[in-house]
Amino acid sequence: DAGITQSPRHKVTETGTPVTLRCHQTENHRYMYWYRQDPGHGLRLIHYSYGVKDTDKGEVSDGYSVSRSKTEDFLLTLESATSSQTSVYFCAISKKDRGDEQFFGPGTRLTVL
Amino acid sequence: KNQVEQSPQSLIILEGKNCTLQCNYTVSPFSNLRWYKQDTGRGPVSLTIMTFSENTKSNGRYTATLDADTKQSSLHITASQLSDSASYICVVSYLSGGYNKLIFGAGTRLAVHP
Repeated sequence: DAGITQSPRHKVTETGTPVTLRCHQTENHRYMYWYRQDPGHGLRLIHYSYGVKDTDKGEVSDGYSVSRSKTEDFLLTLESATSSQTSVYFCAISKKDRGDEQFFGPGTRLTVL
Repeated sequence: KNQVEQSPQSLIILEGKNCTLQCNYTVSPFSNLRWYKQDTGRGPVSLTIMTFSENTKSNGRYTATLDADTKQSSLHITASQLSDSASYICVVSYLSGGYNKLIFGAGTRLAVHP
């Protein structure tokens, strides 16, 4: 998985609780992304980062926030989890912009009860 | 509206047989098209990339084609193996506001049976 780790790999939580997912890379790539994958949908971009402290919204950013304080770490936070946020979350990295090849992490399966 | 549609949604074939997966897109202006393979429980891995001027790209037993005029791509798998069982995702990159953006297809789930 191209030097990308995600933690935790599985999490079950209750509605209304905060959740933070972590993505760590050892490739020193500039761009990092958070996607969610749901049955019947393609991967959808939540947020992405183009450098330390530089982030921007994707197409499904409502209810999510991100932070990138170091090149290697990109955090995704659900401030108050809802059942609609039950999904598999993938982190990805790329050297250049979004059109460049993206390398994906192993995913985090999140269940919100 | 920019869209990527893949067909079929799922496919079952016998080991050793060939198959072809389809991807139709309405994305514009086109930048490139990639096919990814996603094994169950894993993240997607890139198989091929094609730009506007390329109409065929091979990676071992995988051959992707692109018809930019009709906005169609296909992924042909030759002499399938059990390890080819996976989801195959078509991803189209396009330019918007000076930046590349991606649209992911929902994928085709392939099962190769012995």
